[in-house]
Amino acid sequence: NAGVMQNPRHLVRRRGQEARLRCSPMKGHSHVYWYRQLPEEGLKFMVYLQKENIIDESGMPKERFSAEFPKEGPSILRIQQVVRGDSAAYFCASSNAGGTEAFFGQGTRLTVV
Amino acid sequence: AQTVTQSQPEMSVQEAETVTLSCTYDTSESDYYLFWYKQPPSRQMILVIRQEAYKQQNATENRFSVNFQKAAKSFSLKISDSQLGDAAMYFCAHMNYGGSQGNLIFGKGTKLSVKP
Repeated sequence: NAGVMQNPRHLVRRRGQEARLRCSPMKGHSHVYWYRQLPEEGLKFMVYLQKENIIDESGMPKERFSAEFPKEGPSILRIQQVVRGDSAAYFCASSNAGGTEAFFGQGTRLTVV
Repeated sequence: AQTVTQSQPEMSVQEAETVTLSCTYDTSESDYYLFWYKQPPSRQMILVIRQEAYKQQNATENRFSVNFQKAAKSFSLKISDSQLGDAAMYFCAHMNYGGSQGNLIFGKGTKLSVKP
């Protein structure tokens, strides 16, 4: 049973480009969460999605960031017009509907040059 | 708002010895979960141990145990018989009971070094 899969592991973008980060949850999981980890910091919650619905986006920056979890396919975290401050590790986690544990992927390290 | 504080940015322990990592949290809720996660250099977040706030008994997982003091809002992690593979960042996290399962509040972490 594959765990949470994130790709790419590393992503380099120039300032002003778009970054797309993908997350495939564990089999049977319908809840996806995105976190951001800045250097020397803990993970900060960004958004919580269920299939085709955004449940909680209280941690998402108001501009340039968006997330989706379509009926088919992976969840996507999209960052438009990236800036140097977006450089971070972005983690995805998934859980099932009744569980109390979220399982994490290995993260995508985004570097903006 | 919930907060989680880890006051030890770095800790060091001799192989086979015991080390305790500190964590305090702040919440107005009475029911919640607390977690310790390990993050090795691979970046993978690995759940080490979990505690439900309504349970008085401290959680234990092999060499890992917690000291949960609900009144003091303290949740320390004890690692016994430390091994080289225990070297990692350790994050304490809080989650409200009944909330979205993945909406965790993390501390800033403690970097644990294990000396051979």
